Amino acid sequence: QLQLQESGPGLVKPSETLSLTCTVSGGSISSSSYYWGWIRQPPGKGLEWIGSIYYSGSTYYNPSLKSRVTISVDTSKNQFSLKLSSVTAADTAVYYCARLDGSSLSPNYYYGMDVWGQGTTVTVSS
Amino acid sequence: EIVMTQSPATLSVSPGERATLSCRASQSVSSNLAWYQQKPGQAPRLLIYGASTRATGIPARFSGSGSGTEFTLTISSLQSEDFAVYYCQQYNNWPQWTFGQGTKVEIK
Repeated sequence: QLQLQESGPGLVKPSETLSLTCTVSGGSISSSSYYWGWIRQPPGKGLEWIGSIYYSGSTYYNPSLKSRVTISVDTSKNQFSLKLSSVTAADTAVYYCARLDGSSLSPNYYYGMDVWGQGTTVTVSS
Repeated sequence: EIVMTQSPATLSVSPGERATLSCRASQSVSSNLAWYQQKPGQAPRLLIYGASTRATGIPARFSGSGSGTEFTLTISSLQSEDFAVYYCQQYNNWPQWTFGQGTKVEIK
């Protein structure tokens, strides 16, 4: 059974870079049938899509965060990672990684975020 | 950016009753809409994609309908485990996917 697990610091100082890793177990991150993504949820609020990556390294970012986000993949470790630079208190959230079901993110070939990690809380504070 | 608006914000329903949740898009998203369920302290769970296709393992009491700008998630007979927050998400406007703000289904 596929499982995703987020890891990284729970506390980041303002203006620094938030770094998280998602480890995939029970399956290969190199499958051609899936993309991998990051989603966040500020305390008491709704969900925000951050960005996605394919095992080949192709990335897609939310335009509202694009200037600060980098998502990368390490197929040898079955992991993908998120870096968010110049963080502020507004970046305080639970960060989730997820599997995106689809060989393409074009709507006709995409079938939803079907496996999620448990989430990790990141607080931005000095 | 496509804005997704869910209503009502909170829905009070008795167990066994029917729940109807609405999601409206600020412009057409065709049928490129998903629904997620989130319980307190848990990650979201995919319920529906393509506006009306149930994800693997989702009970038949969950159904989705709609296209264009108006969508509905119906839970035919609420079970105790269905009390949660439900989010719609459009994936038509690539790469700027957006979620609704959520509808909380609570016990009446």
